[in-house]
Amino acid sequence: DSGVTQTPKHLITATGQRVTLRCSPRSGDLSVYWYQQSLDQGLQFLIQYYNGEERAKGNILERFSAQQFPDLHSELNLSSLELGDSALYFCASSPRTSSRGETQYFGPGTRLTVL
Amino acid sequence: DAKTTQPPSMDCAEGRAANLPCNHSTISGNEYVYWYRQIHSQGPQYIIHGLKNNETNEMASLIITEDRKSSTLILPHATLRDTAVYYCIAQNRDDKIIFGKGTRLHILP
Repeated sequence: DSGVTQTPKHLITATGQRVTLRCSPRSGDLSVYWYQQSLDQGLQFLIQYYNGEERAKGNILERFSAQQFPDLHSELNLSSLELGDSALYFCASSPRTSSRGETQYFGPGTRLTVL
Repeated sequence: DAKTTQPPSMDCAEGRAANLPCNHSTISGNEYVYWYRQIHSQGPQYIIHGLKNNETNEMASLIITEDRKSSTLILPHATLRDTAVYYCIAQNRDDKIIFGKGTRLHILP
């Protein structure tokens, strides 16, 4: 158990809909990262937040957005969903920002299925 | 971006040492090399990291070449539970994290 929690574990929705994925980092961790993993693909970095501020951005679509709240939990919002958005979405946390690299602790993921 | 390249798959006999290579020829001087593994569809698990020196912990050893252009993760006595996808990453100065597709390690009984 990494100490990172993600809800829900599974989510099934239809195309065009909007969903919100939630992540609670390990106690004391200030950084939160979001990743997308499509079937048999590697982890695609989406975005990182540090202490409430956006810190780094990867290949995140404009239909996707995220935020980190004062209590440090984070939400990833996915809108106008398409079939291709079906994937595992992982959240990770680390104690500080990762200017040189820092160990990330991953949650169990949310499996999103878009029908 | 400091990208890494890894073989797509490897086999290792149970009880033997598994040596997983990673090439990171464009790594910058202050970038760490990190190794993670992902068992089935679980969240990735941290294994080890290093900058210049070789490192060892309870899970594995990390050997980094002197020029830092490549590294090798060593699982000293592989078990069936080590079957997983192993990712080698190097963090670039813009903090973007590039995982790649990793190496799928099969431990053979």
